[in-house]
Amino acid sequence: DTGVSQDPRHKITKRGQNVTFRCDPISEHNRLYWYRQTLGQGPEFLTYFQNEAQLEKSRLLSDRFSAERPKGSFSTLEIQRTEQGDSAMYLCASSLGTGRRGNTEAFFGQGTRLTVV
Amino acid sequence: GQQLNQSPQSMFIQEGEDVSMNCTSSSIFNTWLWYKQDPGEGPVLLIALYKAGELTSNGRLTAQFGITRKDSFLNISASIPSDVGIYFCAGQFGNEKLTFGTGTRLTIIP
Repeated sequence: DTGVSQDPRHKITKRGQNVTFRCDPISEHNRLYWYRQTLGQGPEFLTYFQNEAQLEKSRLLSDRFSAERPKGSFSTLEIQRTEQGDSAMYLCASSLGTGRRGNTEAFFGQGTRLTVV
Repeated sequence: GQQLNQSPQSMFIQEGEDVSMNCTSSSIFNTWLWYKQDPGEGPVLLIALYKAGELTSNGRLTAQFGITRKDSFLNISASIPSDVGIYFCAGQFGNEKLTFGTGTRLTIIP
């Protein structure tokens, strides 16, 4: 399978615990995005990387959230001291990101469903 | 965060009917994308549009990039049961992040 891969698919955690999600983008895709989606809403932008550089962070990304893409390949999203309001689907997407027609199209993984109890 | 306005919010149609939905923004974009999402899954890219006025088809799906660059339209002809799901538009300016719409939920009535 050469699509975007996310792990785990589901995570249930107790409030206050830390969680980490992983995203493996499509091979050779330079750009990687993280989005969050709550029930009944469209995906909301969190942050994105061009290779290993984090280029933009949404104000939704509080101090408890951190994302990394250390070698420009896979990425991790960590949430510290989880709160019930963090319960959502966390989506990762990747694109070639070169700005040429067609290269900015973003392809999504299946998401990680987080439930904070 | 900002979300684009999609209309209608939900649709209930019979199999075989045509479907139309649209997406509007207060900002201009130079790329419009349409995605479909099934429950518990990530969005799947359906159609991408790159130029104002562009009309692009993908099978029974046809999408248009509005002339003002602030809107886009998606039509589905002769709907079938597997068309059920939530459709999202997304706008992109340059090589920046995608901004998504609020979604249109499509239900097919038996």
